[in-house]
Amino acid sequence: GQSLEQPSEVTAVEGAIVQINCTYQTSGFYGLSWYQQHDGGAPTFLSYNALDGLEETGRFSSFLSRSDSYGYLLLQELQMKDSASYFCAASGSARQLTFGSGTQLTVLP
Amino acid sequence: AAGVIQSPRHLIKEKRETATLKCYPIPRHDTVYWYQQGPGQDPQFLISFYEKMQSDKGSIPDRFSAQQFSDYHSELNMSSLELGDSALYFCASSKGTSGTDTQYFGPGTRLTVL
Repeated sequence: GQSLEQPSEVTAVEGAIVQINCTYQTSGFYGLSWYQQHDGGAPTFLSYNALDGLEETGRFSSFLSRSDSYGYLLLQELQMKDSASYFCAASGSARQLTFGSGTQLTVLP
Repeated sequence: AAGVIQSPRHLIKEKRETATLKCYPIPRHDTVYWYQQGPGQDPQFLISFYEKMQSDKGSIPDRFSAQQFSDYHSELNMSSLELGDSALYFCASSKGTSGTDTQYFGPGTRLTVL
């Protein structure tokens, strides 16, 4: 089985940088994905790390350390529209995603 | 780009009734996943299909069944509905079955059981 832990809430101001951490305990771990979800909306894919290191996609970057069972999502130049829930999700030999409990990001003006 | 389509978007049922949710994956995607998300919860995996065969099974109640058809669309059938089945139901699709294949989610069906 898999379990993932991430902070429940993070608050930051517009233009700032915020990092959302995720630690996981898994068997048969393949990689770590990040999804954004606005209230009542669909999880939207942001990033995926299969190998150690940093993946950059515009204002969003994601990092993975397999030896530490740890990853993070970095959001730069925060905008009000970035206020949402962010989920880390692990994929493994069983191909379904196991999600963390989600981090509610609030961006203040 | 085409996305995952789910219907209906909203559904209201009474206890003990049945419901059928439909999912149309992204074109050329061959794998479909179903997730259930309760209020304030993370999505929980229910079941998946690859090439019309059940691939993996998660925390899906025995009252629920699903299948994938020849055109790759999938249906989730829910019987003897209970109040606790009220949730958002998401379908996701991917091309392939590797654990590295990105899953793209549909807009969801909001099921309310009264």
